[in-house]
Amino acid sequence: DIQMTQSPPSLSASLGDKVTITCQASQNINKYIAWYQQKPGKAPRLLIRYTSTLESGTPSRFSGSGSGRDYSFSISNVESEDIASYYCLQYDNLWTFGGGTKLELK
Amino acid sequence: EVQLVESGGGLVQPGRSLKLSCAASGFTFSNYYMAWVRQAPKKGLEWVATISTSGSRTYYPDSVKGRFTISRDNAKSSLYLQMNSLKSEDTATYYCARHIAATSFDYWGQGVMVTVSS
Repeated sequence: DIQMTQSPPSLSASLGDKVTITCQASQNINKYIAWYQQKPGKAPRLLIRYTSTLESGTPSRFSGSGSGRDYSFSISNVESEDIASYYCLQYDNLWTFGGGTKLELK
Repeated sequence: EVQLVESGGGLVQPGRSLKLSCAASGFTFSNYYMAWVRQAPKKGLEWVATISTSGSRTYYPDSVKGRFTISRDNAKSSLYLQMNSLKSEDTATYYCARHIAATSFDYWGQGVMVTVSS
């Protein structure tokens, strides 16, 4: 089974900051990683798939990169509506989520 | 508009069974792999089960294999999750989700709560 190690578990940022979240897979996942945003009491929302492909409606301040085992997700110019939890998902071999990152305002 | 609406959750005793349902609309259900994903209170997301378009192939993580069964009725645009031998650690919100061509999940339901407790 593929394990996904996501860090940091929590992140504090000011409006306008750039933040980065990383996910490391236990083996090469061939860029098959997606990123989700989840707000309290709501279902997750798909933001990015296949490492860097933005879904329709995802603001351009969100981006993803990586290859092999190591991937990152960034938000440039954090806005108040970005305060949420974020999860990575590998889908190279079955499906595994990372542990999540809670983004809070400083 | 794609809609996924879960039902069937509730309070159940350890060792008992429960069956969740998900009613799909707004897309051609039979063309999509479907899945269940859960989230324990204040915890992260965990993939629980996936089923192919015809229902001939199913996939589970070790944590539920042998206890949970995913199924579908394409004529009714409905997805199901039969959960047997429930444990306290199965307490979670269960989401029905649509796969993008057996890859990531694009649409999700609002979730249904399952509480396993005596």
